[in-house]
Amino acid sequence: GAGVSQSPRYKVAKRGQDVALRCDPISGHVSLFWYQQALGQGPEFLTYFQNEAQLDKSGLPSDRFFAERPEGSVSTLKIQRTQQEDSAVYLCASSPRGAGQHTGELFFGEGSRLTVL
Amino acid sequence: QQQVKQSPQSLIVQKGGIPIINCAYENTAFDYFPWYQQFPGKGPALLIAIRPDVSEKKEGRFTISFNKSAKQFSLHIMDSQPGDSATYFCAASTGRSGYSTLTFGKGTMLLVSP
Repeated sequence: GAGVSQSPRYKVAKRGQDVALRCDPISGHVSLFWYQQALGQGPEFLTYFQNEAQLDKSGLPSDRFFAERPEGSVSTLKIQRTQQEDSAVYLCASSPRGAGQHTGELFFGEGSRLTVL
Repeated sequence: QQQVKQSPQSLIVQKGGIPIINCAYENTAFDYFPWYQQFPGKGPALLIAIRPDVSEKKEGRFTISFNKSAKQFSLHIMDSQPGDSATYFCAASTGRSGYSTLTFGKGTMLLVSP
């Protein structure tokens, strides 16, 4: 498939565990976004990458959240010492346009649902 | 501060009806207003989008109406079908930063009954 792929689709973690969520964007897409979607809410911005550069991390809720995209393609969102309030769906989205161009349509993956017990 | 306010929270219409979903925004720097459709277990998908230089845009059965002075925009779904049952999100962004970080509304859960 040519869409945005995320894994795992479901993750259950005990409070205090570290988790890593993976995103494979559409091939060739320059921009990559991470969003957090709580139950019954709209997605909320976490962080933005243009290629391998993290240009905006203003939405990350705490220093327990860390994202990387070392080769400008696959990205990983890592959450350390998970808390119950981290339970949400984490959505990855990509766009063929980069900074300096209005991003326009974002292509979202199906998300990774994290449940912290 | 919620920058994009969406209403209603949920909506039920009969097949063939015209559901209307409304959004209001605060930030006058917003210059791109998309609507996303999300089915359960799926990611949001772009439905239709408008820029503030036009007051209306139609794509198939979906129409966006935009009122720049009131800072409001709405989605109309003509001849709604059961397959339109989904959650709809309005969003807004500005290109001033060089990339557009979408700010989403809280969503409207639409049910179209047969």
